[in-house]
Amino acid sequence: DAGVIQSPRHEVTEMGQEVTLRCKPISGHDYLFWYRQTMMRGLELLIYFNNNVPIDDSGMPEDRFSAKMPNASFSTLKIQPSEPRDSAVYFCASSLVPGSNYGYTFGSGTRLTVV
Amino acid sequence: SQKIEQNSEALNIQEGKTATLTCNYTNYSPAYLQWYRQDPGRGPVFLLLIRENEKEKRKERLKVTFDTTLKQSLFHITASQPADSATYLCALMSGGSQGNLIFGKGTKLSVKP
Repeated sequence: DAGVIQSPRHEVTEMGQEVTLRCKPISGHDYLFWYRQTMMRGLELLIYFNNNVPIDDSGMPEDRFSAKMPNASFSTLKIQPSEPRDSAVYFCASSLVPGSNYGYTFGSGTRLTVV
Repeated sequence: SQKIEQNSEALNIQEGKTATLTCNYTNYSPAYLQWYRQDPGRGPVFLLLIRENEKEKRKERLKVTFDTTLKQSLFHITASQPADSATYLCALMSGGSQGNLIFGKGTKLSVKP
């Protein structure tokens, strides 16, 4: 298994531009999570899906952020318009069942820089 | 307010010694707690999960304890090696929706040869 696959690995964009981050979870995992990591705030949960349905989006910072999961093997996180304060590493993770002895499997992340 | 605190941002120890990392939480009643390892430029990697009715759990050189009265988990690495150098994160369920796993900011462990 290739694990959780995220693309791109790095993204540099100008303020005001639209940014789309992509994630392919592990096959068979029913849960998908989007996290953001910064030095200041650590790892923050943005949104998560169960069986492609958004369950909790209370961590999404603003209306500029949106996430979709059109099918079990693909999810996107979109920021429109982007701002410099959105610069962070964005992680996607997937899981069989939260609380199982397998934990969450994280991707390698997308490092986003907004200039 | 709810908080997860890991005892220090950094911990330096000598190879062969036991590393002990602390995770304290307030205003949570988690059913379980998890520990992850994160290397620079990589995503966190799951290590161990301990449930509220388990006092201790072991995996090779790792040992985790969970004291729901003290609201604390201790993470031990025995016979530490330079390869154990990484940031270690504790995480627990926030008590809201089932998937809402909240992370501490981590402790960066450096093991010197």
